[in-house]
Amino acid sequence: AQSVTQLGSHVSVSEGALVLLRCNYSSSVPPYLFWYVQYPNQGLQLLLKYTTGATLVKGINGFEAEFKKSETSFHLTKPSAHMSDAAEYFCAVIPPRDGNNRKLIWGLGTSLAVNP
Amino acid sequence: NAGVMQNPRHLVRRRGQEARLRCSPMKGHSHVYWYRQLPEEGLKFMVYLQKENIIDESGMPKERFSAEFPKEGPSILRIQQVVRGDSAAYFCASSPTGATGELFFGEGSRLTVL
Repeated sequence: AQSVTQLGSHVSVSEGALVLLRCNYSSSVPPYLFWYVQYPNQGLQLLLKYTTGATLVKGINGFEAEFKKSETSFHLTKPSAHMSDAAEYFCAVIPPRDGNNRKLIWGLGTSLAVNP
Repeated sequence: NAGVMQNPRHLVRRRGQEARLRCSPMKGHSHVYWYRQLPEEGLKFMVYLQKENIIDESGMPKERFSAEFPKEGPSILRIQQVVRGDSAAYFCASSPTGATGELFFGEGSRLTVL
């Protein structure tokens, strides 16, 4: 069965530092890939997604992610962390042959803390 | 432009009582999904509905849990005879189609069973 692995359940960075949140998927065929963010006591919000085309995807709030087929990865980055980036980040995939939302497979999430 | 509305935001029930969670999708969205979120377990899909139809309830426990999305009114997730293990955050999401991967989430309903 396809799975999503987010390395590091907790990541802590200093304000202004690079943010790198890792996501790897298990699939021989590249799926559709997503990053969602969840702020405290709120629902999830789509940050960015990759379906086809350019492998570097830009999202909201200065985040971007790069799809690397050879590494089966879709890591999320932001050049300079802001205090407001503190949140839980979820990577998710949909198998390419079954592009139905209910088939979204979720990672366990990475909690990002930003220190002043 | 209202987003996905869930209520109540917080619900406390004693063991054996019933919990009803409501979700109004975004305007124009006919696809509704319910998820349960537990610490250390991530998001778990429960059920997928369209108006008046349950499309996929494979993630929902076979007993005590039910969901509906009537022609008029919000979608409802109903948990009968709640137990402590039902304590969790329940999220509703909606989408305009069933296949983009882009879900719009409500703020969740946090159920606590005493």
